[in-house]
Amino acid sequence: DSGVTQTPKHLITATGQRVTLRCSPRSGDLSVYWYQQSLDQGLQFLIQYYNGEERAKGNILERFSAQQFPDLHSELNLSSLELGDSALYFCASSVGTRDEKLFFGSGTQLSVL
Amino acid sequence: EDQVTQSPEALRLQEGESSSLNCSYTVSGLRGLFWYRQDPGKGPEFLFTLYSAGEEKEKERLKATLTKKESFLHITAPKPEDSATYLCAVLLHTGGFKTIFGAGTRLFVKA
Repeated sequence: DSGVTQTPKHLITATGQRVTLRCSPRSGDLSVYWYQQSLDQGLQFLIQYYNGEERAKGNILERFSAQQFPDLHSELNLSSLELGDSALYFCASSVGTRDEKLFFGSGTQLSVL
Repeated sequence: EDQVTQSPEALRLQEGESSSLNCSYTVSGLRGLFWYRQDPGKGPEFLFTLYSAGEEKEKERLKATLTKKESFLHITAPKPEDSATYLCAVLLHTGGFKTIFGAGTRLFVKA
């Protein structure tokens, strides 16, 4: 058990809908990262937050947004969903900002039908 | 463009048959290289961090090595429970820090 909690484990929704994925980092970790993993793209970095502030941005679509709350949990919001958004979404956490030694959650499997 | 390439894509071994996985990279601002293990339906699990050429790390049947252009994950006398996808990742510092993952090598070890 990595100590990173993600909910829900599975999410099935329709095109055009909006969903929210939730992540609680390991106790003591201030950084939260969101990754998308699909069969053809591998593990793609989306965004990083450190202590409530956005720290780094990767290949995140404008339809996607995230935030980190004062209690350090994070939410990833995906809107106007398309079939191609179907993927496994991982949250990871680390102590500092240099994303060394990431601890990953078990992921949320999103299926857009 | 920063790139991380892992080979082979898939590797099938008999139990006890040692082999190596390769991770080659073309990047700027390398600060570290990581190996992760990922089991089906689970998140990647950290294995090793390597920081400089010549460095080696070991854990049970796994040994990771690093040169200036690539890293190897050597698996000695593997067991079926070593079956997993092994991911290589590089930590870069170009303005800010970012991690780029390779596509992974799927390892199958048959008893």
